[in-house]
Amino acid sequence: AQKITQTQPGMFVQEKEAVTLDCTYDTSDPSYGLFWYKQPSSGEMIFLIYQGSYDQQNATEGRYSLNFQKARKSANLVISASQLGDSAMYFCAMSTTGANSKLTFGKGITLSVRP
Amino acid sequence: DTAVSQTPKYLVTQMGNDKSIKCEQNLGHDTMYWYKQDSKKFLKIMFSYNNKELIINETVPNRFSPKSPDKAHLNLHINSLELGDSAVYFCASSQVAGVIDTQYFGPGTRLTVL
Repeated sequence: AQKITQTQPGMFVQEKEAVTLDCTYDTSDPSYGLFWYKQPSSGEMIFLIYQGSYDQQNATEGRYSLNFQKARKSANLVISASQLGDSAMYFCAMSTTGANSKLTFGKGITLSVRP
Repeated sequence: DTAVSQTPKYLVTQMGNDKSIKCEQNLGHDTMYWYKQDSKKFLKIMFSYNNKELIINETVPNRFSPKSPDKAHLNLHINSLELGDSAVYFCASSQVAGVIDTQYFGPGTRLTVL
């Protein structure tokens, strides 16, 4: 069974600073993918970044990077140079291979960017 | 040129009614999904279809019946609506099933059962 844990309470960050959103995961599958999605107050789910379990390098996508530590089973999202528009809920999710491949989500973290 | 679209965006209805939510994707993907986001924002998969065939059914009450007329469309019909069905329902799609693949979500349908 797969499990994603996001335990941080609501996070606050000053505009233009960097922030790290924590995510730990658990799976017995050797092959898996980790995803981060953003859900602003308007409600849509926006894909941000993906990391494969066999990827040697941490994923980066513009201001987003994923700090992947396989031995610790963590996949933290780092947002650099925070902007007001980054205020949203952030979900970490995991998927494995196989017929039942699906996204398992964590409970999410709320990020508020202060001007 | 919306990638994954859902209609309606909002749905308010009385207990006991039957309602449908429609989803369409123009990404050329083979696989489509329904997720439910509850009042605590927790997202859970309900169904998955690959090329019109049901591949995941996550112990959802049988009042919920998905239908996929073709691989670009996945509809969700809900019979005898209950208060606990109030939630946001998201449709998503990915290129193929059975592999690790990015899922792209529709805008969501907020269902309120009174």
